[in-house]
Amino acid sequence: SQQGEEDPQALSIQEGENATMNCSYKTSINNLQWYRQNSGRGLVHLILIRSNEREKHSGRLRVTLDTSKKSSSLLITASRAADTASYFCATDPRVFRLVFGQGTRLTINP
Amino acid sequence: KAGVTQTPRYLIKTRGQQVTLSCSPISGHRSVSWYQQTPGQGLQFLFEYFSETQRNKGNFPGRFSGRQFSNSRSEMNVSTLELGDSALYLCASSSASGRVAEQFFGPGTRLTVL
Repeated sequence: SQQGEEDPQALSIQEGENATMNCSYKTSINNLQWYRQNSGRGLVHLILIRSNEREKHSGRLRVTLDTSKKSSSLLITASRAADTASYFCATDPRVFRLVFGQGTRLTINP
Repeated sequence: KAGVTQTPRYLIKTRGQQVTLSCSPISGHRSVSWYQQTPGQGLQFLFEYFSETQRNKGNFPGRFSGRQFSNSRSEMNVSTLELGDSALYLCASSSASGRVAEQFFGPGTRLTVL
């Protein structure tokens, strides 16, 4: 079964708007990661946030982590057409493996 | 540095056959993980190898096996293929020896079982 659940499953916004995706997980974690996947290709690592961190930034990305609620959010600011992709959160409930959520499919409309 | 490479990129097999997929990690990475991605089940962990040792295995039947060589290259094998094995198989490498860190993914092998 999946450890993470992303919400929403699909999101469509206009270019320039901000996109927010949420991830909830079930068990305690060491860190949480976000990945992007373009149309059936390999995943690209975006950001890693450790369990003792609450917020992390990387360029136009902002990730928050609330371990008390077992949830995380990914914010993409000033979206671009190239941001169209599926976004996955991944947790490490057990050492040496990642467990992925079902993903959020993001579409940026020009 | 060259990225993670996977061969072949596409594969068509028939039920009952077996298949071997190959993965070459980023130079210097000793951890290699394999994942299966399907529309219904999403991304599921198959197994992880570090220095030729399998450290973790997902909930897949024994038809799925893997190995890692001394140069960190890895192969996975699926025997007696079933229609449900049609999927994108992704390999990822990491420099971390301990807890899971950033994974670098290859482009995947698209397996179709007819």
